[in-house]
Amino acid sequence: DTGVSQNPRHKITKRGQNVTFRCDPISEHNRLYWYRQTLGQGPEFLTYFQNEAQLEKSRLLSDRFSAERPKGSFSTLEIQRTEQGDSAMYLCASSFFSGASYEQYFGPGTRLTVT
Amino acid sequence: GENVEQHPSTLSVQEGDSAVIKCTYSDSASNYFPWYKQELGKRPQLIIDIRSNVGEKKDQRIAVTLNKTAKHFSLHITETQPEDSAVYFCASYSGYSTLTFGKGTMLLVSP
Repeated sequence: DTGVSQNPRHKITKRGQNVTFRCDPISEHNRLYWYRQTLGQGPEFLTYFQNEAQLEKSRLLSDRFSAERPKGSFSTLEIQRTEQGDSAMYLCASSFFSGASYEQYFGPGTRLTVT
Repeated sequence: GENVEQHPSTLSVQEGDSAVIKCTYSDSASNYFPWYKQELGKRPQLIIDIRSNVGEKKDQRIAVTLNKTAKHFSLHITETQPEDSAVYFCASYSGYSTLTFGKGTMLLVSP
């Protein structure tokens, strides 16, 4: 499978626990994006990387959230001290950004439930 | 920042009818407008997109039109089939970092 993959697909955690999600982009894609999607809404941008550099973070991304892409390949998104409001689908997308190409391809998402 | 409005929120059609979903955007610098289809429990899938230097683009039964002056773009699906039932999202890219999405349209095609 050469598409974007995410693990785990589902995560149930108790409030206050830390969780970490992983995203593996399409190989050779230089940009990787994290979005959050809640029921009945479109994806909302959280942060993105170009290669290993984190270039932008949304104000939706509180200081409990941290993302890394250490070698410019896979990325992790960590949420510390989870809250019930963090329950959502976390989507990863990747693209080969060249200035002339903008297409983003999404992974299947990680559904987080905070109890 | 960019704001994308999408209408209608739900759309029910009979199989074989056409469906039209409309979006407006606020940032006149936006230059790329993709449409995604998301089936229940699945990832958003890119189905068609259009650049700001093009007014219309077709791919089999789907087409997208763009009116830069009015800052709106539309998705047209002809000869709808039950497998077209899904949530459709429009989005815009304003040359910054990422996409801004509309809230989605749930399309239901009845046999």
